Amino acid sequence: DAKTTQPTSMDCAEGRAANLPCNHSTISGNEYVYWYRQIHSQGPQYIIHGLKNNETNEMASLIITEDRKSSTLILPHATLRDTAVYYCIVESGYALNFGKGTSLLVTP
Amino acid sequence: GAVVSQHPSRVICKSGTSVKIECRSLDFQATTMFWYRQFPKQSLMLMATSNEGSKATYEQGVEKDKFLINHASLTLSTLTVTSAHPEDSSFYICSARLPSLRYEQYFGPGTRLTVT
Repeated sequence: DAKTTQPTSMDCAEGRAANLPCNHSTISGNEYVYWYRQIHSQGPQYIIHGLKNNETNEMASLIITEDRKSSTLILPHATLRDTAVYYCIVESGYALNFGKGTSLLVTP
Repeated sequence: GAVVSQHPSRVICKSGTSVKIECRSLDFQATTMFWYRQFPKQSLMLMATSNEGSKATYEQGVEKDKFLINHASLTLSTLTVTSAHPEDSSFYICSARLPSLRYEQYFGPGTRLTVT
């Protein structure tokens, strides 16, 4: 599975959009991009996934570049409860390999 | 959404003893479950993939004789840490996939194991 690179940490003001980038330059054609998040001392939570097209659900939007080498997770109106570690994962099989993720801090 | 539970949520055991952690899919049948381990301030590390009715597949470096995984039914997988040592103290998390939705994994709340 392709490796991903994410910033170690980011801050976002409450109510503003949080844009979390992820680089996956070695992604192959059949690999999906997944985003999960983990709030402190809890199990990870699925957010969204995509292959080529941009995706949106009730939690977030996922923007994937045309060459698929990078993507951005957008939380449109961040709240304090969105403070968590966000993991961008690229995989084609059944197991998820978590990297270090981005620690997002949403501030009042 | 699908719910995965783990029991116990916390366990303290003495060095040399064994401890069993249960992972249940409450409202769906999971043919495949996964076990992860997470040390403080580190990311999740996949330990093994558990398939119902067959032997688990362990990741490189994970001792299969120490971490016994049993997936005897479509809703239950167990992880037994045998002869636990303090270095086995960690946060153990299981997850499961819906057979019809391979793209989403549902995680349990985790089990905090402390070996004294």
